Amino acid sequence: EVQLVESGGGLVKPGGSLRLSCAASGFTFSSYSMNWVRQAPGKGLEWVSSISSSSSYIYYADSVKGRFTISRDNAKNSLYLQMNSLRAEDTAVYYCARERGITGTSAFDIWGQGTMVTVSS
Amino acid sequence: SYVLTQPPSVSVAPGQTARITCGGNNIGSKSVHWYQQKPGQAPVLVVYDDSDRPSGIPERFSGSNSGNTATLTISRVEAGDEADYYCQVWDSSSDHPDVVFGGGTKLTVL
Repeated sequence: EVQLVESGGGLVKPGGSLRLSCAASGFTFSSYSMNWVRQAPGKGLEWVSSISSSSSYIYYADSVKGRFTISRDNAKNSLYLQMNSLRAEDTAVYYCARERGITGTSAFDIWGQGTMVTVSS
Repeated sequence: SYVLTQPPSVSVAPGQTARITCGGNNIGSKSVHWYQQKPGQAPVLVVYDDSDRPSGIPERFSGSNSGNTATLTISRVEAGDEADYYCQVWDSSSDHPDVVFGGGTKLTVL
């Protein structure tokens, strides 16, 4: 079964750090670009970051640029998001999502169940 | 930055046809993808590349895209179709690609 499972969410104070992980199974992880998408409570979807299959191309939303770092380990079938200098407005459910095709045009065809990040003092 | 505009809500009776629009400047030149999200669940891709359906998505879901408006059409609406729907494109107008989501449309089945 094709599956993505996120972990690492939790409660963190403003200015703190957190590292999210996404474990992939059921498909050849190293062949796909991957993304992080977040959703604040009661709000819509917001794209966070994208990484190509070999990590050659990495993109960030302006709202997280300079604070978040996306990475992947194809040997471990895992995607990561290092989040530093966290703010209250980063509070959201964070989803990892697989791109179905060529980076820069494709839909996200597989999503994880999400992990909640709460930034509060 | 590129903006996608969706109506906040659409209501339709069971068995009727629901049309959810997604407006954007010359959106017809982009590939539009649509997601369904039910409460407490992750989004599910229902239409990609304007009008293609992933395996397992009913034929009742279809899409079109032209000019400044893309449309998700749900025929013979069922109670189980009640959900939030989001359109999405990639925008390459800046120095790097960005993913843009519409604000979402809540579909209510009366």
